[in-house]
Amino acid sequence: DAGVTQSPTHLIKTRGQQVTLRCSPKSGHDTVSWYQQALGQGPQFIFQYYEEEERQRGNFPDRFSGHQFPNYSSELNVNALLLGDSALYLCASSLVDRGETQYFGPGTRLLVL
Amino acid sequence: GQNIDQPTEMTATEGAIVQINCTYQTSGFNGLFWYQQHAGEAPTFLSYNVLDGLEEKGRFSSFLSRSKGYSYLLLKELQMKDSASYLCAVSPDSWGKLQFGAGTQVVVTP
Repeated sequence: DAGVTQSPTHLIKTRGQQVTLRCSPKSGHDTVSWYQQALGQGPQFIFQYYEEEERQRGNFPDRFSGHQFPNYSSELNVNALLLGDSALYLCASSLVDRGETQYFGPGTRLLVL
Repeated sequence: GQNIDQPTEMTATEGAIVQINCTYQTSGFNGLFWYQQHAGEAPTFLSYNVLDGLEEKGRFSSFLSRSKGYSYLLLKELQMKDSASYLCAVSPDSWGKLQFGAGTQVVVTP
């Protein structure tokens, strides 16, 4: 039973560039949430996708956007990268309305230079 | 406002017990989670409390008081591998969004 997978594991970009991160949920899960974790901080909720729609959104600018595909996998896109976007980006999958079932992927570490 | 507060760092000796406190003020409450996170890795689930009381799972126990907005994670018989950050998180609704505290770095010394 595959857990949550994310790609790539590491990424280096320069300011102003765009980046796409990918997540495949745990088998049987239909909901994907994305979090940003800066060094020394707890994860911050970016948004959640269910049935290919953004269902909830945290306090992040429109530069952060996402998508969910029919197979429940998801992408996080960040445009016009800033130095402050450097962080560990975590994907978590769960069953709809069963938040206690949430599992985290290994994360993608993004460095913006 | 919405706050989840936990101590920044705690140090304890191998074999000892450490209690990590977490207080929260959130717009809603649908459960409190504790996660363990080693440096550079993803958070791993430790416990989930939705009703008041103590949940015990091996060397780890978690307590919740909803009326006080308070939880603690108790780590017994500390091992060197328990050195990690421990994250307290609240789910304000049933949809699964989690609000995290900044984490408590536990350092276990020989």
